[in-house]
Amino acid sequence: NIVLTQSPATLSVTPGESVSLSCRASQSISTSIHWYQQKSNESPRLLIKYASQSISGIPSRFSGSGSGTDFTLSINRVESEDFSIYYCQQSYSSLYTFGAGTKLELK
Amino acid sequence: EVQLQQSGTELGKPGTSVRLSCKVSGYNIRNTYMHWVNQRPGKGLEWIGRIDPANGNTIYAEKFKSKATLTADTSSNTAYMQLSQLKSDDTAIYFCAIYNSGFDYWGQGVMVTVSS
Repeated sequence: NIVLTQSPATLSVTPGESVSLSCRASQSISTSIHWYQQKSNESPRLLIKYASQSISGIPSRFSGSGSGTDFTLSINRVESEDFSIYYCQQSYSSLYTFGAGTKLELK
Repeated sequence: EVQLQQSGTELGKPGTSVRLSCKVSGYNIRNTYMHWVNQRPGKGLEWIGRIDPANGNTIYAEKFKSKATLTADTSSNTAYMQLSQLKSDDTAIYFCAIYNSGFDYWGQGVMVTVSS
């Protein structure tokens, strides 16, 4: 199985800061990585597909980058509604896997 | 509008089985794979497996091969997951989801509680 390691586990920030969340794959997965946001008691929401492709309806402050084994989700100027948990997920293997998540919390 | 409507909260006794449903509207499930994901209390997302409703082909994560059975009824546009030999460790929220490029659409999730 492809293991995805997300870091940090928790990120404490103040609104207006810009942040980067990391997702590292245990083997090269090209750009077959997707990012999700999950707010408390809600279903996950797709933010970025294939490492860097934007999703209709998602604010432009969210962006993704990376290829191979190292991927980054960036949030430019965090807003209060962004405090939630973020997951990466790979589709390179037919056995999909998720990272453990990064919790973005208010400092 | 695409909607995935999941069945209600389930309470199962250890050793028994439960069957969860996921009815899709606004999207023909023959044209996609239906996936299932769980989330144990306070934990992250875990992919269980997927079914191709067009032919019934399935793939499961190794740890769910003897736990979950995925089926689909294209006439009612509904996907199902049966969880067998329930244990307390199966207590979780279970989501169905449609994957196109990423999991675009999700059900609201159903809480399964295993307790005697």
